[in-house]
Amino acid sequence: AQKITQTQPGMFVQEKEAVTLDCTYDTSDPSYGLFWYKQPSSGEMIFLIYQGSYDQQNATEGRYSLNFQKARKSANLVISASQLGDSAMYFCAMRETQGGSEKLVFGKGTKLTVNP
Amino acid sequence: DSGVTQTPKHLITATGQRVTLRCSPRSGDLSVYWYQQSLDQGLQFLIQYYNGEERAKGNILERFSAQQFPDLHSELNLSSLELGDSALYFCASSPRTDSYNEQFFGPGTRLTVL
Repeated sequence: AQKITQTQPGMFVQEKEAVTLDCTYDTSDPSYGLFWYKQPSSGEMIFLIYQGSYDQQNATEGRYSLNFQKARKSANLVISASQLGDSAMYFCAMRETQGGSEKLVFGKGTKLTVNP
Repeated sequence: DSGVTQTPKHLITATGQRVTLRCSPRSGDLSVYWYQQSLDQGLQFLIQYYNGEERAKGNILERFSAQQFPDLHSELNLSSLELGDSALYFCASSPRTDSYNEQFFGPGTRLTVL
């Protein structure tokens, strides 16, 4: 079973508008972390935002915010005031901790295209 | 720039060959992670090292091995290469093995097996 599900293979948004990228996760661990990464066409992975499972407030980083709904196991990324440079692949990931070590489990990604 | 460096940036080789990918973590980071990104499998965790010791294994093939050296740089060795090993290989680092923030990713090594 997939642990991270991104149901939107592709999304389109007009420049300056807001867009929400969906992410649902599955874990029985009470302590976990959720991440969003951006991967432009150049290939590098750029960290955007992090949400801990015990964080009381939704994480925000500039134009990025994470809509964390713990009961629904969702961690949607909201990008406000989209820019042309936001066009990229976006990956949701969850940190799994097992036996003192950790790894990231990634979703399949959403390709965002920002139109002028 | 994340501070994580990977060499080479691109690598083209033939089936059956062996290659070594190198990663230098951010200064002070003790944990190194290797990931493989392919079109069909997506991003997959391969292996983690912490301060020279293997800490976690993911979907790493037996033909693949890794190590972390005393200066904390890491190498991923891929042998008996197959066409399906063509992928983007990322290295990431973090300060500790229990870091609660992001892993910092390097620019990746794009491996093409012909």
